[in-house]
Parts: sequence; structure tokens; C-alpha cells
Amino acid sequence: KQEVTQIPAALSVPEGENLVLNCSFTDSAIYNLQWFRQDPGKGLTSLLLIQSSQREQTSGRLNASLDKSSGRSTLYIAASQPGDSATYLCAVKTNAGKSTFGDGTTLTVKP
Amino acid sequence: NAGVTQTPKFQVLKTGQSMTLQCAQDMNHEYMSWYRQDPGMGLRLIHYSVGAGITDQGEVPNGYNVSRSTTEDFPLRLLSAAPSQTSVYFCASSYPGSAGLDTEAFFGQGTRLTVV
Repeated sequence: KQEVTQIPAALSVPEGENLVLNCSFTDSAIYNLQWFRQDPGKGLTSLLLIQSSQREQTSGRLNASLDKSSGRSTLYIAASQPGDSATYLCAVKTNAGKSTFGDGTTLTVKP
Repeated sequence: NAGVTQTPKFQVLKTGQSMTLQCAQDMNHEYMSWYRQDPGMGLRLIHYSVGAGITDQGEVPNGYNVSRSTTEDFPLRLLSAAPSQTSVYFCASSYPGSAGLDTEAFFGQGTRLTVV
């Protein structure tokens, strides 16, 4: 059974700092890995999707990497802003239509 | 673009009542899924579908039924609501691209259900 762990559970940083969120998974036989953002009381917004054959994806200030052999992914956020404050979730797809989520990292960026 | 639409946004049920949570997507996605999100337990898969007429159970299917008669719709039915089903429910969809390279998953805004 796939298990997904996100560390840390919560993170507080001053504005402008670069930061890394971690996601680890136990079964390396994955289709893809996706990072999401969730604001309080809202749905999930997709940030980056990394296919199993890819090593990284970039979008603006975000960069996500994938190392299947070690079962790890990182989400790098450059020059953090207060608007980045949210919960960040990673999801690993191991079968058609099925994804396993981590519990998320709640990020607070202080002005 | 409507994306994934869930209705209702909020619902209060009494124990034993039944109801259907609606989910519709307009992106012609073949894959659709239902998750519940509970504090401290993350998102857990309830049921999923890889196409019209095909459904399967996820991690926590008990007490829920689904059907997929069209590509666009994937309703979730609570047969006899229990307080343990108090949660936030999310519907998601994605498209199975070529060679297993799925597209990104899109989520609805959620339905907050309280069972008293």
C-alpha cells in the first residue's frame, strides 16, 4: 500500500526566504506526482505535475523535483510572499484514477 | 471554463437520511474520483471511475455508492448518513493521456457535509 509523508507539517518563514517542502512515498512504481495548493475552506489548485519519466518541473517561482528511486519529491518556492501562505499537498498516482495524498505542509509567510 | 462543479456547497443531514452529492465536469475527462478530507487524516479516496459505466472502490467506500452513466457526471450517494460521515467531500477529474501520461487532476470546490 502506498504511503505518502510530508515533512514538515507546518512551516513559518519571513517574506523573501527561499524554502523547500518535502514529500516521500513508499512505492516507487508511480504514474506521476502532483503538487497542490489548498487555501482555507477552498478546494485544491494544481501547481505542478511531474510524470514518472521526468526529473523536475518549473512554473514561475516554483520548482518540483522527483527522485523515484529514493521515493522523494521536493517543492522549492523561491522568494516567498505572504500570498504563498497555504497548505501544500503532494499526491502520488499509483494506478489509473487513484492517487494517494500526503497530509500536507501548512506554510505561513510573514510580512 | 467551469471545470469541476460540485453541488451543494454545504449540507446538514440528520442521521439516517440519504442524499446525493453531485459532481460534473466539462473537460471530457475519463477519470473521476471522490475524496473525503478530515482533520489529521488528509484526503482519502472513496470511489473512482476510469470511464462511463466503470467504477471501483477506493480506501474508504463503506456507506457510499457511485455510478457513472455519462462521462460528465459522477454522483456520490450516501445511503444512510452517519455522524462519522461528517467531512468535506471533493470530486476530482483527469484525463488519461497517451502512454499512461495522465493530465493533471482538477478538483471541485468541495461539499461541506455535517451529519447530526
